[in-house]
This record gives sequence, structure tokens and C-alpha cells, in this order.
Amino acid sequence: DGGITQSPKYLFRKEGQNVTLSCEQNLNHDAMYWYRQDPGQGLRLIYYSQIVNDFQKGDIAEGYSVSREKKESFPLTVTSAQKNPTAFYLCASSPLRQGLTSGANVLTFGAGSRLTVL
Amino acid sequence: RKEVEQDPGPFNVPEGATVAFNCTYSNSASQSFFWYRQDCRKEPKLLMSVYSSGNEDGRFTAQLNRASQYISLLIRDSKLSDSATYLCVVNPTGNQFYFGTGTSLTVIP
Repeated sequence: DGGITQSPKYLFRKEGQNVTLSCEQNLNHDAMYWYRQDPGQGLRLIYYSQIVNDFQKGDIAEGYSVSREKKESFPLTVTSAQKNPTAFYLCASSPLRQGLTSGANVLTFGAGSRLTVL
Repeated sequence: RKEVEQDPGPFNVPEGATVAFNCTYSNSASQSFFWYRQDCRKEPKLLMSVYSSGNEDGRFTAQLNRASQYISLLIRDSKLSDSATYLCVVNPTGNQFYFGTGTSLTVIP
């Protein structure tokens, strides 16, 4: 079945360490996204990518980095510069094709990675 | 002003009740709208896309009011399994998605 796979599901990090969260999709979607979710807040966009080797900062990119070397993969690195990294991280993808009818550019999410800084 | 605003609730309703959620958006040029369901500590999952004419899927009805810039979700004959957080999502352009903070629903036996 097509879908998005995120790993690890749970991750503990010591302060000052970088960690990388994996995101792989087999939906043949062009666009991929990373969101962060904190209790009581809506999802906030960290980075997104529409094509291979290109990505753009979202609203809260500071302290994060990404790469898009393959269409299927969009890993997120949480660096030591991120001051409050404990959160639920969600990767998503969407078709982003021209000519899609309204309502068809749907976001599909992975199961998420829960990062805790000790 | 936030792009998308939702009443966070919580809504506590008895089984069999009808409950409605509203969501307002600020960008009048927005084209696509969605309702997602998110269970505790899980990822959001698409419940319904919202079309201009309104659409229904079983016990769920979604409506769009462009003039007043809001979308709504109506759940009839609530089930215990409907307990979740419901997220309103607005897609103004191809690669932008804005999320409400979610409305919490608990259906009580």
C-alpha cells in the first residue's frame, strides 16, 4: 500500500546533539512537508519541497535543516541550534499537480516522530 | 489575524447527538478546504474535502460559505468512535496549507 513512513517513532536526544528524522513516501507525490505540532497549537510548517534538490523555509525553519536528494525522501535534521525541540514532528506529502480539481491537492501524513530532549 | 481559526472546544456530547464545528479563514482567495481527524498522539487523517456546493459522507456533512469565509462540519448520530480532534485545513494555493488549532470532541455514553 502507498503511504508515508516516518522513523523513528520515538526519539530521545541530549541537549547539544543533532538528530535526523526520516521521511519516505511511495505515493509519487511531488511536494513534501515537515510540520511541528505542540500541545494546544496548530501544525506549524518547518520546511517544504516541491521538487528534488529544492526546498523552502516555512514559518519556523530556524534550527532545522532538510535535504531532497530523491523524490521519495525528505529527511529533517533537528540541530542543536533549535532551542525548544521537544515536539511531535509530522511529515506530509501532496500531489501538487497542475490542473487538480479543487479539493484534490490533499495532504497525506506519516505517523509522526515524537522527539524529547532530555 | 490568524489564517484559520477554530473554536478549540472541548465539545462533550452524548451518543446520538448532532454536533457542528465552524472554522473561519482570512484569505478570501482560498480555493480548497478540508476537515481532518486527529486521534490522540496520532497523525491527522483526511475526513473530507469541502466543496462549494457542500458535501455529505454518511453521518458527516461539510459546507463552505465563501461570502462569510467559513467552513463547517456537521456530525449526526454521534458515536463513541467519533471522539477525536477535528482540524480545519485551508489550501489557498498549491503548496500552502493552513491549519486550525483543532476542535476537541468527546462523545459520552
